[in-house]
Amino acid sequence: ILNVEQSPQSLHVQEGDSTNFTCSFPSSNFYALHWYRWETAKSPEALFVMTLNGDEKKKGRISATLNTKEGYSYLYIKGSQPEDSATYLCACNYGGATNKLIFGTGTLLAVQP
Amino acid sequence: NAGVTQTPKFRILKIGQSMTLQCTQDMNHNYMYWYRQDPGMGLKLIYYSVGAGITDKGEVPNGYNVSRSTTEDFPLRLELAAPSQTSVYFCASSTGSFEPQHFGDGTRLSIL
Repeated sequence: ILNVEQSPQSLHVQEGDSTNFTCSFPSSNFYALHWYRWETAKSPEALFVMTLNGDEKKKGRISATLNTKEGYSYLYIKGSQPEDSATYLCACNYGGATNKLIFGTGTLLAVQP
Repeated sequence: NAGVTQTPKFRILKIGQSMTLQCTQDMNHNYMYWYRQDPGMGLKLIYYSVGAGITDKGEVPNGYNVSRSTTEDFPLRLELAAPSQTSVYFCASSTGSFEPQHFGDGTRLSIL
């Protein structure tokens, strides 16, 4: 059974703090890793899709890295703002062309003003 | 630009009833997916489709059926509702193999 794990489960930070969280996954038969941002009462919104070992992606204050050999990805948020409060989901594609995803349970980030 | 639209948003069913959760997308995406999300659990894939006329099972298909007669629509059918199917259901679509998935707003289903 493939298991995608995220840590920590939840995180409380102050506005302006930088933070990061981890996604760990089995590295065999891995095709791609997705990060999604999920605000309360909304639907998940894609942040990044990464496929290659050493990939780094950036979107504003949010960035992500990927290590496929050891099976982990980090998501970084620089200078957290209250509007960054959300659940951050990691998902891995082990299905290749079908784009089937195995999701982690998410990291809930709360940014206090 | 509507994206992925799910209906209804909420529904309460009695045990043994049947219903269809509707999902339609206007982005001409070939790939579509149904997930369920239970408290404390990650999204679990129920069924998926890589194009009209092609469907396949995901991780948790038991108790559900799907069809894909058009590119736009991917309905999910519950034939005999059971309390274990109480969940929030999300439909998603993507353009291709290594592209991000676009999600609908979800359907909250309670079976009593």
